[in-house]
Amino acid sequence: DVKVTQSSRYLVKRTGEKVFLECVQDMDHENMFWYRQDPGLGLRLIYFSYDVKMKEKGDIPEGYSVSREKKERFSLILESASTNQTSMYLCASIKGTAETQYFGPGTRLLVL
Amino acid sequence: GQNIDQPTEMTATEGAIVQINCTYQTSGFNGLFWYQQHAGEAPTFLSYNVLDGLEEKGRFSSFLSRSKGYSYLLLKELQMKDSASYLCAVRGKGGGFKTIFGAGTRLFVKA
Repeated sequence: DVKVTQSSRYLVKRTGEKVFLECVQDMDHENMFWYRQDPGLGLRLIYFSYDVKMKEKGDIPEGYSVSREKKERFSLILESASTNQTSMYLCASIKGTAETQYFGPGTRLLVL
Repeated sequence: GQNIDQPTEMTATEGAIVQINCTYQTSGFNGLFWYQQHAGEAPTFLSYNVLDGLEEKGRFSSFLSRSKGYSYLLLKELQMKDSASYLCAVRGKGGGFKTIFGAGTRLFVKA
């Protein structure tokens, strides 16, 4: 069974703090993704990575950066958290030829 | 631009059949997915269509018409546990398997 884990289920941070969200998958998947999900807007792609040290901007990369130093781990960084980054963050991974993305349980981030 | 449209909410009765529609306009097409998402949980994969036609999987079926940019998810013999959001998503061509998601349809199943 594919397993995608995220470091926290719930997180509360203050405006201006640097925030790290970690995602780990155990199935040797090449492609990993970070989304945020907001009511009425669906999942929106922030960044994705198709290999170690490779990254591509998604649809809403502003205010975020990512790091992929190892194949199994994909980190999302909020350089200076703002209240409009309060959201549910979902990590996903997929093997090169597989059909579906596998999602982690999500991190609900509240920025005060 | 790229767009995926699906109804915001639907209500159906336990034991009945419900059809959730999805229309899409995307640059390139490399498959359409349906996911189920219960409140507070991650999306889970339901179905995948890349060719026109109907794919059946137990109580769930998904249909695709690429020429019309249209898909539907059919749920039969509805159960209370089917109350969830259903996400339509389209994968574009090119590297990285980039996928565009619709906002989701929240389905309420009543007794």
